[in-house]
Amino acid sequence: RKEVEQDPGPFNVPEGATVAFNCTYSNSASQSFFWYRQDCRKEPKLLMSVYSSGNEDGRFTAQLNRASQYISLLIRDSKLSDSATYLCVVKENAGNMLTFGGGTRLMVKP
Amino acid sequence: GAGVSQSPRYKVAKRGQDVALRCDPISGHVSLFWYQQALGQGPEFLTYFQNEAQLDKSGLPSDRFFAERPEGSVSTLKIQRTQQEDSAVYLCASSLRTWLNTGELFFGEGSRLTVL
Repeated sequence: RKEVEQDPGPFNVPEGATVAFNCTYSNSASQSFFWYRQDCRKEPKLLMSVYSSGNEDGRFTAQLNRASQYISLLIRDSKLSDSATYLCVVKENAGNMLTFGGGTRLMVKP
Repeated sequence: GAGVSQSPRYKVAKRGQDVALRCDPISGHVSLFWYQQALGQGPEFLTYFQNEAQLDKSGLPSDRFFAERPEGSVSTLKIQRTQQEDSAVYLCASSLRTWLNTGELFFGEGSRLTVL
């Protein structure tokens, strides 16, 4: 079983739609959580951190459920430019690395 | 530019050849990572340097893989006797030590290795 699991998608949604991605992690000692975005054939870039209380950045909302070891990303009012792969990322308490999920691909259509 | 620079961008190797991939991190970044990304997968951790010290190499898949950062700046990932399963994009990332809190790594565009 992978340490960080995501539905690979693709999620095909129309412009303006609301879409949510989920991610589960296996190590209960995980300390920090992030979402990265990766455009096709480009490098991953940090999108946002995920805090226990939930956090929002414009149209993007991230939430963490430690009890269920579950992270979510909600995108409201989807734009064509949101089309990308969204990577769920976890850092363990004592680790020297960020562990990436397999990514969820989003395609926003006109 | 001011970003992480990797070379070569594309490398085709015959099975059994040795390859060397180079990473120039952002100036002043003490932390440097190598990740391997297979097609349709997320990046998989290979190794981590803090300055010139290789603190974690737990992700290197075999002893054919070797990484170094002798002066704490440029890093090289070497793959000996390449196999077809080594075909992937090799991503280098650098950061200040603040990555431990911010989770922000700055990735290069990667070196795409194809082993025939």
